[in-house]
Amino acid sequence: NAGVTQTPKFRVLKTGQSMTLLCAQDMNHEYMYWYRQDPGMGLRLIHYSVGEGTTAKGEVPDGYNVSRLKKQNFLLGLESAAPSQTSVYFCASKRTLGRSSYNEQFFGPGTRLTVL
Amino acid sequence: SQQGEEDPQALSIQEGENATMNCSYKTSINNLQWYRQNSGRGLVHLILIRSNEREKHSGRLRVTLDTSKKSSSLLITASRAADTASYFCATVGDSGGSNYKLTFGKGTLLTVNP
Repeated sequence: NAGVTQTPKFRVLKTGQSMTLLCAQDMNHEYMYWYRQDPGMGLRLIHYSVGEGTTAKGEVPDGYNVSRLKKQNFLLGLESAAPSQTSVYFCASKRTLGRSSYNEQFFGPGTRLTVL
Repeated sequence: SQQGEEDPQALSIQEGENATMNCSYKTSINNLQWYRQNSGRGLVHLILIRSNEREKHSGRLRVTLDTSKKSSSLLITASRAADTASYFCATVGDSGGSNYKLTFGKGTLLTVNP
């Protein structure tokens, strides 16, 4: 199993450009998450999904949109990139077997995004 | 806002020594989890402790939880250079709207010198 994969690994954008980050998981997990990690800030939740076709806002959703058209994929979109969105983006997934609150999250390797 | 706050922000020790990291949080939790992040990599789950547990062990890891003080500690015994990483605590809330989300602290950077 590949686990959680993210595409691309690195990207440089100019202010105002758009892009989509792709997260894929092959563990049949229901829950998927997008985080951003900034120096000294830990991880902050952007958006999450509790199942195919559903999405919800996290702690820092402004400037981002997401879609979960297929259970295994969770896309994060930046419609008009800003320098404040320079960050490392992590995707994660979690199963719902048993008591889901006790289940761990599995993380992808991250996408390093720079907005000039 | 961040739920957990780790202490210290950075810790440097010699191989073979024990490393202790602390985490404080603000609201009631269902469970608390610790994750490790090697430089340039994603996070890896280490251990989970439920709100009704006080101590848990996994290999060289020992986690304690004091819900009255809203704090947890992670002890790594007999540290190795390979333990060099950032360590994050993350909480899961105990209300229906928060029990599937993790809220992370800012992390402790542990450096184990050979």
